[in-house]
Amino acid sequence: GAGVSQTPSNKVTEKGKYVELRCDPISGHTALYWYRQSLGQGPEFLIYFQGTGAADDSGLPNDRFFAVRPEGSVSTLKIQRTERGDSAVYLCASSLTPVVPYEQYFGPGTRLTVT
Amino acid sequence: DAKTTQPNSMESNEEEPVHLPCNHSTISGTDYIHWYRQLPSQGPEYVIHGLTSNVNNRMASLAIAEDRKSSTLILHRATLRDAAVYYCILRDKSSGDKLTFGTGTRLAVRP
Repeated sequence: GAGVSQTPSNKVTEKGKYVELRCDPISGHTALYWYRQSLGQGPEFLIYFQGTGAADDSGLPNDRFFAVRPEGSVSTLKIQRTERGDSAVYLCASSLTPVVPYEQYFGPGTRLTVT
Repeated sequence: DAKTTQPNSMESNEEEPVHLPCNHSTISGTDYIHWYRQLPSQGPEYVIHGLTSNVNNRMASLAIAEDRKSSTLILHRATLRDAAVYYCILRDKSSGDKLTFGTGTRLAVRP
């Protein structure tokens, strides 16, 4: 079956611009996660949705970052007034349920470059 | 989540077994031990998990020390496709949300 998909695969934007990154989870997966990975580092948690609601947004670095999942399926990560430090690979993952030990399935990521 | 310690890098020869160690001396009784790996230019993928007993699946085996303060991921016959960064992660059953990644072990496989 189809895995987690993310669009676009690459995004180049200028400092100060607004960007949206999209994630399509595996059908039927209720939990959706966003992570950010900088070069040479492991992925860093940003936010987690259970259904339509954000169950944990403790990883969002500041109020320029926002994410939605209005119908409990597709999610969009929104970054306002982008900064060069936002350049990273943004990864999305989904899970059938958030209950441990169910595994998370990751998408290929969106590489964001802020110039 | 409790902290894990892994070597930064390891090397193996193709078709030989690989043992990837992970120390987690502060593990709690409700922490599951998970392993994920990340191939170049891809998102992480689940490998295996366990709680107390050793586990086997089609990808690997997980050996857990009796005191649960360490574990070892075993790839029985390394292939070139196994070259990746391997992450050992503890997940508490009561938290059930995010994965907390460290820097992992970068495995190189020599042909």
